[in-house]
This record gives sequence, C-alpha cells and structure tokens, in this order.
Amino acid sequence: AQSVAQPEDQVNVAEGNPLTVKCTYSVSGNPYLFWYVQYPNRGLQFLLKYITGDNLVKGSYGFEAEFNKSQTSFHLKKPSALVSDSALYFCAVRHSRNAGNMLTFGGGTRLMVKP
Amino acid sequence: ETGVTQTPRHLVMGMTNKKSLKCEQHLGHNAMYWYKQSAKKPLELMFVYNFKEQTENNSVPSRFSPECPNSSHLFLHLHTLQPEDSALYLCASSQGPAGGLADSYNEQFFGPGTRLTVL
Repeated sequence: AQSVAQPEDQVNVAEGNPLTVKCTYSVSGNPYLFWYVQYPNRGLQFLLKYITGDNLVKGSYGFEAEFNKSQTSFHLKKPSALVSDSALYFCAVRHSRNAGNMLTFGGGTRLMVKP
Repeated sequence: ETGVTQTPRHLVMGMTNKKSLKCEQHLGHNAMYWYKQSAKKPLELMFVYNFKEQTENNSVPSRFSPECPNSSHLFLHLHTLQPEDSALYLCASSQGPAGGLADSYNEQFFGPGTRLTVL
C-alpha cells in the first residue's frame, strides 16, 4: 500500500526567506508524486508533479520540488517566500495498484508567511 | 464557464433531509472524483468514475449515493446523514484512462467544494 507523510502541521517563514515543506512517501514501484495548494475557501490547485527524469521539478508560482529516491522524499521549495504563498499544501502519491489517476494525499502542511 | 464548478457552495441540512451536490467539469475530462475533507482527517477519496462507470467506492456508507449521468456531470445524493458527515466535499476531474490502466499520471483539477453542515 502507498502512503504519504507530511511531518509538519505548520511551517512559519518570513517573507523573502526560502521555504521548504517536507514530504516523504512509501510506494511500491515507481513513485508518481504531486504537490497541490489550497487557498482559503477554495479547492486544491495543482502545483507540480514528478513522473520521471530530472529530480528537480519546477512548477507554478515559482515553486519547485526535489525528488530524492534514497530518502523517499519529495520536498517542496521556493527560494523567496511571499505573503500570498500562505495556504495549505498537500503532497500526494499515485496509488500503487493499477488504478489510473487515484491519489493518496498527505495530511497537509499549513504555510504561514509573515511580512 | 471553465474548470470545475460545484453547487451549492454551502449547504445546511438536518439528519432526515435529502439533498444533492452537483459537480460539472468543462475540461473535456473523462474521469471524475468525490473527496471528503474534514478538519480531523486528510483528503479522503470517496468515489471514482471513469467514462461514467464507477471504478472505485472507498467503503463509503450507503447514505452517500453517487450518480454520473455523463462524463461532464457528477452528483452526490445525500440522505439521513449524521453530524460527523459535516465536511468540505470536493469534486475533481482528470484526463483518465479507461479501465484503470497503468502509467496514467494526469493531474486532477478540483472544484471549490461544497461546505456541508449536518445538524
């Protein structure tokens, strides 16, 4: 079975500083990994995905994520945080079994960026 | 209108009521999903439809009844709900494979959700 862990319920960072939101996964076979963001009173928005290839994946709004197979991690990063980045972030992994686009989500990490 | 829309955005109902949530996607996708998001649990997948056929029921109680009349519309019929069913219900769609084939990794597009309160 597959699983995703986001060890931090909340991450606080000052505007302009780099940010990291952590994600570790467990899956049999090749991992297909995703990051989504949820702003207040909104649905989830896709940020980026890792399928294969370069371990550093670039996504929307200046975010990027680094796939590390040995550490089974897929941490989300941004070089310079904005107050508008404050939101709930979800890491997800595609289901191991032959099930198309089904995803297992982590518990979410709330990012607070303070001016 | 573009993307994934959900109506109503907010719903308050009693335990004996019957109501329905509606989801519509304007993206030409062929897979649609219902999720439950509550304060205490991460996103829980409820149902999956591929090409109007239900391909996943994640042990959801029968008081939740999905309906997918075509690839663009998805409903969630609610009856005799419990207070613990209060949550944000999210609909999503994706360009999915038929028959749950492997090597599919298209991202899901989410609607804004329906905030459900059961009294």
